[in-house]
Amino acid sequence: NAGVTQTPKFQVLKTGQSMTLQCAQDMNHEYMSWYRQDPGMGLRLIHYSVGAGITDQGEVPNGYNVSRSTTEDFPLRLLSAAPSQTSVYFCASSYQGARVVAGELFFGEGSRLTVL
Amino acid sequence: GQQVMQIPQYQHVQEGEDFTTYCNSSTTLSNIQWYKQRPGGHPVFLIQLVKSGEVKKQKRLTFQFGEAKKNSSLHITATQTTDVGTYFCAVRGVDSNYQLIWGAGTKLIIKP
Repeated sequence: NAGVTQTPKFQVLKTGQSMTLQCAQDMNHEYMSWYRQDPGMGLRLIHYSVGAGITDQGEVPNGYNVSRSTTEDFPLRLLSAAPSQTSVYFCASSYQGARVVAGELFFGEGSRLTVL
Repeated sequence: GQQVMQIPQYQHVQEGEDFTTYCNSSTTLSNIQWYKQRPGGHPVFLIQLVKSGEVKKQKRLTFQFGEAKKNSSLHITATQTTDVGTYFCAVRGVDSNYQLIWGAGTKLIIKP
């Protein structure tokens, strides 16, 4: 099992450019999510999905789009990159989307994005 | 909305000393998870606590969930260099949806 795979690992963008961060998992997890991590701020949820065809906004969704056409893939699109989106992005998945008690999150290795 | 405070932000210890991080919420939690992130790495799940007053141990790590389910702690006995990293709590409130709310983390630094 590869677990959660994110690409690319590093990316430099210019302000206004768009790009897609890819995330794939091979664990048949229903729940997938995207976080951004900034120094001293923990992880903040951008978007999440509880199954194919279902997505919802997290804490900081502005400037990002997601889709979930398959169980395995959950790409994150930056529509028009801004310097404030410079961050480390993590994709995470879980085997269980239960409301009260959910399974552990499995994280990808992260994508380090710099917007100039 | 749901917020969680994690303290301290940093803790410097000599190797062999103990380490503790605390996670506090103003509202009742349904469960709490703890993760470890090594420098340059990704968060890795350590444990989940669900029951009031629950105490779980993993070798030198002891996790506690408060009786009121509003706070939790992670204690490491006799730290080793392999313990270096940032420890995060992630909580889910009783009225929340699927979202985990993350503490800002406590960075464990071993003094040379």
